[in-house]
Amino acid sequence: DVKVTQSSRYLVKRTGEKVFLECVQDMDHENMFWYRQDPGLGLRLIYFSYDVKMKEKGDIPEGYSVSREKKERFSLILESASTNQTSMYLCASSLGREPEAFFGQGTRLTVV
Amino acid sequence: SQQGEEDPQALSIQEGENATMNCSYKTSINNLQWYRQNSGRGLVHLILIRSNEREKHSGRLRVTLDTSKKSSSLLITASRAADTASYFCASNSGGYQKVTFGTGTKLQVIP
Repeated sequence: DVKVTQSSRYLVKRTGEKVFLECVQDMDHENMFWYRQDPGLGLRLIYFSYDVKMKEKGDIPEGYSVSREKKERFSLILESASTNQTSMYLCASSLGREPEAFFGQGTRLTVV
Repeated sequence: SQQGEEDPQALSIQEGENATMNCSYKTSINNLQWYRQNSGRGLVHLILIRSNEREKHSGRLRVTLDTSKKSSSLLITASRAADTASYFCASNSGGYQKVTFGTGTKLQVIP
């Protein structure tokens, strides 16, 4: 079974802090994604990566950056956390051109 | 605006009844998927239907796709309390990596 692991289930950070959310997948998937999920808005794509060191902006990249130094790991970085970045963050991966995505359990981030 | 919009936003039914959720999308698609999310968890893939298919079955799940109306429906037959979850449609319309999710339907199945 594919396993996508996010480093934290719950995280509380202060405004202005630099925040790192880590995601690791164990199935050699080329594609990795970061979404945020907010009530009434569904999942919105922040960034995705289709190869090591490659990244593409999603629909809401502002205030975020990403890093993919190794194939299995995709990090989401909040350069200076703000309260409007309080949300559930979901990491996912997929294989090649296959559309099915495999999700991590999510990280609920609260910025105070 | 969202590529996928589900309706209803919330649905409450008795165990044993059928549950139908609908999804509309705006642009032409390559395929459409349905995912399930238990409360506070990640999403789990349920079923995929390609743009050249009209109907697909998997166990108690039945998915239809009407590309002329840009809509899809997910039917869960003989619902169980364990089906209580949020259900999302997701469409792939351009680059194969980019999948756009809808806003979801929250289903409650009452035992």
